[in-house]
Amino acid sequence: AQSVTQLGSHVSVSEGALVLLRCNYSSSVPPYLFWYVQYPNQGLQLLLKYTSAATLVKGINGFEAEFKKSETSFHLTKPSAHMSDAAEYFCAVSGGSNDYKLSFGAGTTVTVRA
Amino acid sequence: SAVISQKPSRDICQRGTSLTIQCQVDSQVTMMFWYRQQPGQSLTLIATANQGSEATYESGFVIDKFPISRPNLTFSTLTVSNMSPEDSSIYLCSAAGGKRLYEQYFGPGTRLTVT
Repeated sequence: AQSVTQLGSHVSVSEGALVLLRCNYSSSVPPYLFWYVQYPNQGLQLLLKYTSAATLVKGINGFEAEFKKSETSFHLTKPSAHMSDAAEYFCAVSGGSNDYKLSFGAGTTVTVRA
Repeated sequence: SAVISQKPSRDICQRGTSLTIQCQVDSQVTMMFWYRQQPGQSLTLIATANQGSEATYESGFVIDKFPISRPNLTFSTLTVSNMSPEDSSIYLCSAAGGKRLYEQYFGPGTRLTVT
């Protein structure tokens, strides 16, 4: 079984500051890991994914994440926050190429201060 | 990536009634899923909608409460039956297909309020 834990339900950053969202996973098989973003009253949009290729993954809107097996982590970062980054972010895991069901973390709400 | 639409986008229903939510994908996909997002919560998988056969439900979800149909490779419905206020949630469908079955794309969701 796979699961993820997101540390911090709410993160507040200043515009232009680093955004760091933490995600740790638990998996009995090599995992596939994802970050999704949900803007108010919208569905989920895929930001980026790790599927056992490069450990540093670049996504849309300037976000990137690094897969660290030794730390069982997949933290999401963006060097410089923009007001439009205010949203809820979900980390998710699946069991790899033979298990497509997603298990989501609890989510982290990001607010950006001007 | 697939483009997914859902109908209705929102609804207010009385307890004891049923609502059917439609999910349409703009291309044929292998996998379709239904999720529930309760207020202020994360997403929980309800079931995998299988084309031409019965859906596969996750623990805690049953067919009598959430019947699902998938008549073809681009369309699925989820019915929320005999609703109670506890069913007030956002219901989202997702789809995956092609060579990247692990990559799910989500619809905009259906916001359901049960009074």
